[in-house]
Amino acid sequence: DAMVIQNPRYQVTQFGKPVTLSCSQTLNHNVMYWYQQKSSQAPKLLFHYYDKDFNNEADTPDNFQSRRPNTSFCFLDIRSPGLGDAAMYLCATSLTKNYEQYFGPGTRLTVT
Amino acid sequence: QKEVEQNSGPLSVPEGAIASLNCTYSDRGSQSFFWYRQYSGKSPELIMSIYSNGDKEDGRFTAQLNKASQYVSLLIRDSQPSDSATYLCAGKDNNNDMRFGAGTRLTVKP
Repeated sequence: DAMVIQNPRYQVTQFGKPVTLSCSQTLNHNVMYWYQQKSSQAPKLLFHYYDKDFNNEADTPDNFQSRRPNTSFCFLDIRSPGLGDAAMYLCATSLTKNYEQYFGPGTRLTVT
Repeated sequence: QKEVEQNSGPLSVPEGAIASLNCTYSDRGSQSFFWYRQYSGKSPELIMSIYSNGDKEDGRFTAQLNKASQYVSLLIRDSQPSDSATYLCAGKDNNNDMRFGAGTRLTVKP
């Protein structure tokens, strides 16, 4: 089945220790998104790639970076995680920007 | 700031009843709208999309869109305990940027 996969599902990192979350998709979608969702809040868009074009939301902290080495994979790098970065990180894809988005299962990040 | 607003709930309905979930949006340029279901600790799952004024039905779900009133709703008929979840409303603006509401928590009591 075509799908969006995120690894790991749960990640524990120490304060200030860099961490990378990964997302892969078999849908062959052009657009990949990274969202941050905290408890009882709306998913907050961090950035997205349309093919290789990177689009950063204005209020995404510099601590968050992303890479998309090919169509199938996208990575979220958090250079120096703080306690406030503990959240669910959601990867989503869409065929093009005007189509619906499909989410992966998410990665729950804990910062100790 | 372009906003999508939802009543956070919780909304509680008995099994078999109709659950009505509502959403308003501030950006008149928004063209397409989506309802996602999110179980606790899980990721959002797309259940309905709607692009035109009026109603769109899919099984027990009906989405309603009124662009003049900037209002979107989701009706769930014959509600089941398995429908208990948080329902996220989302809208895309003219730039195709998706904006989510914070969600309405629905509880269906057996």
